[in-house]
This record gives sequence, C-alpha cells and structure tokens, in this order.
Amino acid sequence: EAGVVQSPRYKIIEKKQPVAFWCNPISGHNTLYWYRQNLGQGPELLIRYENEEAVDDSQLPKDRFSAERLKGVDSTLKIQPAELGDSAVYLCASSLTGEAFFGQGTRLTVV
Amino acid sequence: AQSVTQPDIHITVSEGASLELRCNYSYGATPYLFWYVQSPGQGLQLLLKYFSGDTLVQGIKGFEAEFKRSQSSFNLRKPSVHWSDAAEYFCAVGLLYNQGGKLIFGQGTELSVKP
Repeated sequence: EAGVVQSPRYKIIEKKQPVAFWCNPISGHNTLYWYRQNLGQGPELLIRYENEEAVDDSQLPKDRFSAERLKGVDSTLKIQPAELGDSAVYLCASSLTGEAFFGQGTRLTVV
Repeated sequence: AQSVTQPDIHITVSEGASLELRCNYSYGATPYLFWYVQSPGQGLQLLLKYFSGDTLVQGIKGFEAEFKRSQSSFNLRKPSVHWSDAAEYFCAVGLLYNQGGKLIFGQGTELSVKP
C-alpha cells in the first residue's frame, strides 16, 4: 500500500513569491493534516481536514496561507506571498483510526 | 494547556548499549501517546502507540515504551542500540477528537550512536 505522497520534496523561492505543496493521503484515510516543522523543533499543526471540511485551521496564518482538499482526497497548501520566516519543512499526514502516517515532507527555503 | 516535554535534546550511546528516551506530557484526559522517528531529510515514521490497555507497548525495530499515568510519562526504550537507530525521536500526545484531534509533539531528542 502506498504511503502519504508529497510533492515537491524541495522548493527554493524568493520572498514574496507564491508556492504550493501537494499531498496525496493514504487511500481511505478521511483525516488529513498539514504540519510545519521548523529546524530543531517538533511539527506543529497548521490545519486538519475531516473529509472535505477544515475542522481545525486555528493555527493557519490566513493572511498568506490557504489550503484546500477537494473531493476529500488530495490536498494543496499554498503560501502567497512567502516570507523568509516560512522556511521550514511542510509535512502532510493522514489518519483513519487515530494514528497519523506522515509523508516525506517538502523542505521550503525562502531566500 | 496540553504539552509534551522531552528533557534530553541530544543523547549519545554506544552501539549495543541500552537506550531510554524520556517523555513527559501534560493532558487532562487519558492520552493517546505516540513515538515517531525521523531520519535526516525524511518524514516521521511511527514506532509505537498507546491507546489503552497494557501499559507496556511493543513497537517496530525492537523498541518498547511504558505508559506511567502517575508520572505522566511515556519513555521509549531499546535493550541494544544499533548504528542505524541514529535519528531524531519525537514523542507526541494525540488529543481526543472533540479537543481538536491533533498531535502535539515534543521538541525531539537527537540520538547519536558511537561505534
């Protein structure tokens, strides 16, 4: 069974540019998470979906971040415009019964 | 507020020696508890989980963890460390669905293994 797939693996952009990350969760997993992991830190939740509904986006900086999960499967996380402080690893995870399975992440560098 | 503390930022052990990584949590309800491992440039892999029942849980790669409610701890152990165990280890508390349903992670413990 395929795991959580994320793309791209790495992204380098200039500040003020837009960027988007894509996630394909494990088939059948209705819960999808986006986490951000800063260097030397544990992951922190940005947004959680139950099927198509964003049930917890309290930590998502809504002035520049947006996310969608059309049809309750794949998800896209977007930053526009990116700032230097957005440099981090963006992790997608999915869950069916409480344990989360993570993708390999996208390492974003904003220069 | 819910939180997870991993007191040791970095631990070095010799190959073949035993290992214990500490994790303490703060949570008002019975927690779901997890240990994840992260190799450089990789995502997080689930080592083991505790939901209920037996407080000593077995995981992959020879790891185990013990839930101690009285100490609010969920320490990870391995009797004999292999060089391939060098990685970052994260303890996490899983909140109940009606409290957000998310994972709260500790800051991680980096494990180095000496030959």
